[in-house]
Amino acid sequence: QKEVEQNSGPLSVPEGAIASLNCTYSDRGSQSFFWYRQYSGKSPELIMFIYSNGDKEDGRFTAQLNKASQYVSLLIRDSQPSDSATYLCAVKESVWGAQKLVFGQGTRLTINP
Amino acid sequence: DGGITQSPKYLFRKEGQNVTLSCEQNLNHDAMYWYRQDPGQGLRLIYYSQIVNDFQKGDIAEGYSVSREKKESFPLTVTSAQKNPTAFYLCASSDRQGANSPLHFGNGTRLTVT
Repeated sequence: QKEVEQNSGPLSVPEGAIASLNCTYSDRGSQSFFWYRQYSGKSPELIMFIYSNGDKEDGRFTAQLNKASQYVSLLIRDSQPSDSATYLCAVKESVWGAQKLVFGQGTRLTINP
Repeated sequence: DGGITQSPKYLFRKEGQNVTLSCEQNLNHDAMYWYRQDPGQGLRLIYYSQIVNDFQKGDIAEGYSVSREKKESFPLTVTSAQKNPTAFYLCASSDRQGANSPLHFGNGTRLTVT
């Protein structure tokens, strides 16, 4: 059983600071990695994906991937109270066609004004 | 607007009854998925379908059944054989051809069985 591990938190960060969310995965053959944000009672929404080693930036968000260490992270700069949510890390299994994703349990993030 | 519609938003059933959750998409996506989420947990895959009239079991398929008779529709039946059916159920779709095509989620159905 392929596994994706996240610290469940809660992670508390002051407004304006950098929030760092981490994720490790067990399948060394995994190629694609996704970060989703989920507000309480709502469905997940995609923040960004990454498939190459290194950093990928999109606005205030930066995803970092290190395949050798089987580690992916999400940095949120200038954190806002509206960033308070659960962040889900997902890893794509190697199934042709379908995006069969394995999700971590999520990290609950709270931004304190 | 394109999207995924799940209905109903809340569903209550008595133990021992089968119940069907609806999922319809107008994104013209080939692949569709059903996930289950329990409180404080991530998503677990129940079933997925890459094309009409074809579907595969996910990690927790026992006690569930699906059909894919139309590209737009992927209903999930929670049978009486499912031991702990109370959960938040999420339907999703993706463009099968895109290697990194994201999953698009519906708004979910919260099922409570007593």
